[in-house]
Amino acid sequence: EPEVTQTPSHQVTQMGQEVILRCVPISNHLYFYWYRQILGQKVEFLVSFYNNEISEKSEIFDDQFSVERPDGSNFTLKIRSTKLEDSAMYFCATRLAGGSNEQFFGPGTRLTVL
Amino acid sequence: AQTVTQSQPEMSVQEAETVTLSCTYDTSESDYYLFWYKQPPSRQMILVIRQEAYKQQNATENRFSVNFQKAAKSFSLKISDSQLGDAAMYFCAYPGGSQGNLIFGKGTKLSVKP
Repeated sequence: EPEVTQTPSHQVTQMGQEVILRCVPISNHLYFYWYRQILGQKVEFLVSFYNNEISEKSEIFDDQFSVERPDGSNFTLKIRSTKLEDSAMYFCATRLAGGSNEQFFGPGTRLTVL
Repeated sequence: AQTVTQSQPEMSVQEAETVTLSCTYDTSESDYYLFWYKQPPSRQMILVIRQEAYKQQNATENRFSVNFQKAAKSFSLKISDSQLGDAAMYFCAYPGGSQGNLIFGKGTKLSVKP
């Protein structure tokens, strides 16, 4: 069964460094999302991406964050100048156009900022 | 604002018994989907069940079923014959964003006692 994959599974970085989290969507999916889950809290929407551009973003998704699909397969989330409070699980999710809006989640990347 | 509320931070059930997790939501839409996701300790997000709002029949997936009350905007999850592997966080979600991004409740931590 097709699945969303994410790399790395765990990233440890120093405060102020840049990180890139990678996601490979299911091949025929057209909508891509990033979500964040701080430990012990609910899952929060960051950004949606459709037709090679950001379609919606939350207030969390400020200038520190960016997304792109550089090679038509990988979907990346870049966090510039990481802060301690960026430590969280980051989930990529993808879905088909139309239908039930069912989103398929990747296994997540656990980001630890020291 | 569209919101999803899970009023039970924690629930406990005896193995083989039945438990119901509650969820309420707020929307002005008339046609939409609702989802329950399971998050085990691995933190993977796993779709448990979905409900189409225009269908009056409650969705069922094996031991999992929902009690959908559209007028009350209530979407509870019933787990029958609970198993040890059902122990997890359970999140109710509604695709409230303009691009279908999911709005999650705060989750209910389910414990299953042997």
